[in-house]
Amino acid sequence: SAVISQKPSRDICQRGTSLTIQCQVDSQVTMMFWYRQQPGQSLTLIATANQGSEATYESGFVIDKFPISRPNLTFSTLTVSNMSPEDSSIYLCSVESSGGNEQFFGPGTRLTVL
Amino acid sequence: QKEVEQDPGPLSVPEGAIVSLNCTYSNSAFQYFMWYRQYSRKGPELLMYTYSSGNKEDGRFTAQVDKSSKYISLFIRDSQPSDSATYLCAFRTGANNLFFGTGTRLTVIP
Repeated sequence: SAVISQKPSRDICQRGTSLTIQCQVDSQVTMMFWYRQQPGQSLTLIATANQGSEATYESGFVIDKFPISRPNLTFSTLTVSNMSPEDSSIYLCSVESSGGNEQFFGPGTRLTVL
Repeated sequence: QKEVEQDPGPLSVPEGAIVSLNCTYSNSAFQYFMWYRQYSRKGPELLMYTYSSGNKEDGRFTAQVDKSSKYISLFIRDSQPSDSATYLCAFRTGANNLFFGTGTRLTVIP
């Protein structure tokens, strides 16, 4: 399985600001995914990021709120823009295995918005 | 109706007990069935992965899939305190999107 790291591991932010979360993988991967895990709720896919193309967003998530970059095959960023307390959550990146059937997750970024 | 239903627990068992965790689903297009374990303040870790009905065993863990009933289970034998975590069921169609349950929090008491 791939080794995935995320930065920052946690942050406390003020309403109206933005935070960029970084995800680094130790091997080249085609697809990277960004999920949100809110308290008491299931993990929800925000978007899928392929290198060299625009990210694909799931219903309920928009690029203006969650812009994503994917500059190469080992790195991606997710920005949470114009934050409100409702954005307080754990944000996780994941990658697909080389066989394409399994997904592995990073440690997550715990975001609190005041 | 939610696509995935999972009892959130919490579930508390004594060390050595057999644990049964369950999920039901409604989407007939789900082809792949997974269990993840998530320790506190960590990302989910893939435990079991299967794509067919029946049982799959890996050490103390057994994943069971019943496609006709749209029901999956994870059994943990000889449970240990280190098994204390939240267990998430997850499903996939042929596409890449994973659909998760809300997770069951398990505590194994020494």
